Amino acid sequence: ETGVTQTPRHLVMGMTNKKSLKCEQHLGHNAMYWYKQSAKKPLELMFVYNFKEQTENNSVPSRFSPECPNSSHLFLHLHTLQPEDSALYLCASSQVGGTGTTYEQYFGPGTRLTVT
Amino acid sequence: QKEVEQNSGPLSVPEGAIASLNCTYSDRGSQSFFWYRQYSGKSPELIMSIYSNGDKEDGRFTAQLNKASQYVSLLIRDSQPSDSATYLCAVIYDEKLTFGTGTRLTIIP
Repeated sequence: ETGVTQTPRHLVMGMTNKKSLKCEQHLGHNAMYWYKQSAKKPLELMFVYNFKEQTENNSVPSRFSPECPNSSHLFLHLHTLQPEDSALYLCASSQVGGTGTTYEQYFGPGTRLTVT
Repeated sequence: QKEVEQNSGPLSVPEGAIASLNCTYSDRGSQSFFWYRQYSGKSPELIMSIYSNGDKEDGRFTAQLNKASQYVSLLIRDSQPSDSATYLCAVIYDEKLTFGTGTRLTIIP
């Protein structure tokens, strides 16, 4: 266990559904990330939150909506997804800025999403 | 565009031999480098971090960094079947990790 948890681990949803992915980190880190991993493609960074503020949005479609209520929790709200959005969604956390900065990112187990 | 390049493999190594994985990166300003191991269907697991030129050893793993040549490598000594996985090289650019596509390693018993 890395100290980063994600729920659910598997999710099947239709294109008209709305669902949310949850991530929680127990490492005391101040930055959290959402990544998408599709087959045979490198990890794609979707969103970055530093100190609860969104600092990066890598041209992600608006059908993906992140939320970071505090430095330990991160959500990804999903609505009207497309079949090509089926992938492994990974959450990660790290400590950035100031003393203790390592940039080492620790990943949760991921949510395997299938859009039908 | 800042890139991280890896040979996708597959790389096959006999059990007990040394596995050598290589990675090159495009930005000379990068200061932090990482190796992740990812088993099929699982999330990436951080196995090595390296920040200075030279070698860093941790058990059977050795990371090597050469900033002048812009490459970082990972050596796995006494390879075991449990080392069979995809190994991802990652480099920090502008405080964000950029990953390579990974090298698939298979250890042959």
